[in-house]
Amino acid sequence: GAVVSQHPSRVICKSGTSVKIECRSLDFQATTMFWYRQFPKKSLMLMATSNEGSKATYEQGVEKDKFLINHASLTLSTLTVTSAHPEDSSFYICSASDRGSFFFFGQGTRLTVV
Amino acid sequence: QKEVEQNSGPLSVPEGAIASLNCTYSDRGSQSFFWYRQYSGKSPELIMSIYSNGDKEDGRFTAQLNKASQYVSLLIRDSQPSDSATYLCAVAGTALIFGKGTTLSVSS
Repeated sequence: GAVVSQHPSRVICKSGTSVKIECRSLDFQATTMFWYRQFPKKSLMLMATSNEGSKATYEQGVEKDKFLINHASLTLSTLTVTSAHPEDSSFYICSASDRGSFFFFGQGTRLTVV
Repeated sequence: QKEVEQNSGPLSVPEGAIASLNCTYSDRGSQSFFWYRQYSGKSPELIMSIYSNGDKEDGRFTAQLNKASQYVSLLIRDSQPSDSATYLCAVAGTALIFGKGTTLSVSS
């Protein structure tokens, strides 16, 4: 199956700093990438959808200025959590799609803001 | 707002039994349905996809889809302790929308 690589797997940062998470599709061109957030014992909540070369579409309630998404190429999307606060601590997961037939997930990033 | 509903459980079954997981969805126009398994602290892994009404079998797993009832289910036969995990139902539109997941516990 297709491989989606997400990095880093774990990150601890100080409150007020920014953190960048990368998501790469290694063996296919991902026309669309998705970013999810998962709190403990909760389901995956879609944060935003990004198409290569265009602005991301954010779900209701997700601050676009706080969660910056860049999808500059067909194999790379990044999520930057700006001015992170402890309430941003969560498990962030990216997903890449090949035209909506299948959805491949990255390994996830555990963000802890202290 | 598209919704996917699952019973959060926990669902407890003894080893060797059949585990039955259920899911309903709100968007009648949905065409693609997926079951994922997620272990604690890990990313979801795809178990099965189903697109047509009826049953789809893959090893110990059977997915069932009834579009008229907007209902998807997953049966796990001969349940093993290693099947203990959270099972997520997902429905595809422009993105995958997930249910809250059902926690399955298989006791040996």
